[in-house]
Amino acid sequence: DAKTTQPPSMDCAEGRAANLPCNHSTISGNEYVYWYRQIHSQGPQYIIHGLKNNETNEMASLIITEDRKSSTLILPHATLRDTAVYYCIVRNQGGKLIFGQGTELSVKP
Amino acid sequence: NAGVTQTPKFQVLKTGQSMTLQCAQDMNHEYMSWYRQDPGMGLRLIHYSVGAGITDQGEVPNGYNVSRSTTEDFPLRLLSAAPSQTSVYFCASKTGPALSYEQYFGPGTRLTVT
Repeated sequence: DAKTTQPPSMDCAEGRAANLPCNHSTISGNEYVYWYRQIHSQGPQYIIHGLKNNETNEMASLIITEDRKSSTLILPHATLRDTAVYYCIVRNQGGKLIFGQGTELSVKP
Repeated sequence: NAGVTQTPKFQVLKTGQSMTLQCAQDMNHEYMSWYRQDPGMGLRLIHYSVGAGITDQGEVPNGYNVSRSTTEDFPLRLLSAAPSQTSVYFCASKTGPALSYEQYFGPGTRLTVT
């Protein structure tokens, strides 16, 4: 299973873009990159996923490098409600989500 | 749609007691799974099911049983609770096992075993 590496914590000013990096250097060609977040005491929430191309939805953008060994989740205008733990996950062949430690994002006023 | 629902929200058990954590989804999802979350450990997969009548083990299956008699329900049973099973339990579901499907999580059950 491809493993991911994320910084344990990051700060971001409210209204600014939050850029959360993730390394997944052993990713296989058919594995997707997923991002979830978990706000305190709640269940994880799906944000976005991608295979090769950059993706954007109403919550965030996902930038995947050409060699697919790393990606960046971008929250374009972070709000206080975006304070959460963000998980970068590479889904393995069996379809199981394997969560790592994630990045604790603190959005500050 | 209610999405993924879990009951109870909180539970306290004594060592050796048994109980069932309930999970239900109304999205007609084939794939359901159970995770536990412990401080500093992230979420770990306990058991999963790719459809009614089919279950399989995840990373940490010991001490837990599951069954999947219907598409909607995926209960998790603790046969003899131990303090090591104190945790927050999340149930999740998705359309199918394919790599591209997103997973929906329930609100969690906080279990304390004394």
